[in-house]
Amino acid sequence: QQQVKQSPQSLIVQKGGISIINCAYENTAFDYFPWYQQFPGKGPALLIAIRPDVSEKKEGRFTISFNKSAKQFSLHIMDSQPGDSATYFCAASLTNDMRFGAGTRLTVKP
Amino acid sequence: NAGVMQNPRHLVRRRGQEARLRCSPVKGHSHVYWYRQLPEEGLKFMVYLQKENIIDESGMPKERFSAEFPKEGPSILRIQQVVRGDSAAYFCASSPSQPNTGELFFGEGSRLTVL
Repeated sequence: QQQVKQSPQSLIVQKGGISIINCAYENTAFDYFPWYQQFPGKGPALLIAIRPDVSEKKEGRFTISFNKSAKQFSLHIMDSQPGDSATYFCAASLTNDMRFGAGTRLTVKP
Repeated sequence: NAGVMQNPRHLVRRRGQEARLRCSPVKGHSHVYWYRQLPEEGLKFMVYLQKENIIDESGMPKERFSAEFPKEGPSILRIQQVVRGDSAAYFCASSPSQPNTGELFFGEGSRLTVL
């Protein structure tokens, strides 16, 4: 039962470009939407998160855009750097649950 | 290091043996989650526990898998009679409160290989 759908599965971007990863959710009860970053051999780590009462949140080069009516949210990485190369997971949460998307493997070419 | 500690980091078992994975949450965290990650795939929810209670085990196979988070000691994910399909990375995460109130802190995972 996949409650969070993430795309694309993989993404290649040139250094300095914009990386965009999209997610869609089904359960309108979700009320917390984080993005996690995972490097090979490591556990995921929180990157940025948003709640549905705002449409955008920005932290440095990372921005979440949230569209409540469409049940979609996206991660934008501005000025992408080779060090951003990792797997990114979106997630959606409610009181007793946090479900993750399938992940996007981002490669930023120098 | 006050982070989530998982051990063993790597575990090799033969088919039919038991695998026991341990997770010590961040000090003070009473909520623990287990996720499974297959190669090139995402994180699949398995179980959510609070101290001495299983809150949600809807993602855990009904047979051969069990989890506990005792009053004292680490959380344990136990897989009995392992099969090759159990080979995966198992991640534990912890939080101080319910999952929609903030960050889950992940360990570095336990990688199970079943021969």
